[in-house]
Amino acid sequence: GAVVSQHPSRVICKSGTSVKIECRSLDFQATTMFWYRQFPKQSLMLMATSNEGSKATYEQGVEKDKFLINHASLTLSTLTVTSAHPEDSSFYICSARGPGTDGTQYFGPGTRLTVL
Amino acid sequence: AQTVTQSQPEMSVQEAETVTLSCTYDTSENNYYLFWYKQPPSRQMILVIRQEAYKQQNATENRFSVNFQKAAKSFSLKISDSQLGDTAMYFCAFMKGAGGTSYGKLTFGQGTILTVHP
Repeated sequence: GAVVSQHPSRVICKSGTSVKIECRSLDFQATTMFWYRQFPKQSLMLMATSNEGSKATYEQGVEKDKFLINHASLTLSTLTVTSAHPEDSSFYICSARGPGTDGTQYFGPGTRLTVL
Repeated sequence: AQTVTQSQPEMSVQEAETVTLSCTYDTSENNYYLFWYKQPPSRQMILVIRQEAYKQQNATENRFSVNFQKAAKSFSLKISDSQLGDTAMYFCAFMKGAGGTSYGKLTFGQGTILTVHP
């Protein structure tokens, strides 16, 4: 149980285009999902907290107009990287707060974004 | 704000031996959770073990156990009978308990790369 999927696993796009990444909780409802960014051999950096039916809460320094988050249902959150540039190339990981009461997060497999 | 520190960037161990990964944290909270996650080369984050701060008993999951020292704010992970599949980056993480702001947000340590040698 508590499986989270992410799609796509890899995406390559041209500079200036937008890319959408989906995060789904497959066997549970997730009112709260999280989006992280990770550089090679580094820790996860929280970008934003996504709550179903409300606006996302962004961490300091994260541009909300560049990284659009939508959490329209209890099983789906999306991250759209708008007008992507090479510096946006990274590994993006989503997680969902699990069905238990202890707040454990379950992670998706990640999306590698390469902007040319 | 909470901080989590993993002071061992890299560790190695022989197969079947035991290894301990260190983690310290700083918080003024009394109600919180601590986690160890592993990230193998596939980069899928996998929950290894979880500890509630109000529980004095150390959590155990098969070959994985923790040494939780609340007063010292230390949360080390012991891996017994190490296996090749344990090769991964291990992250210690802190989460405030329910009822406070930032509930559910994880604060991660820098990570420790563990290599298990045959």
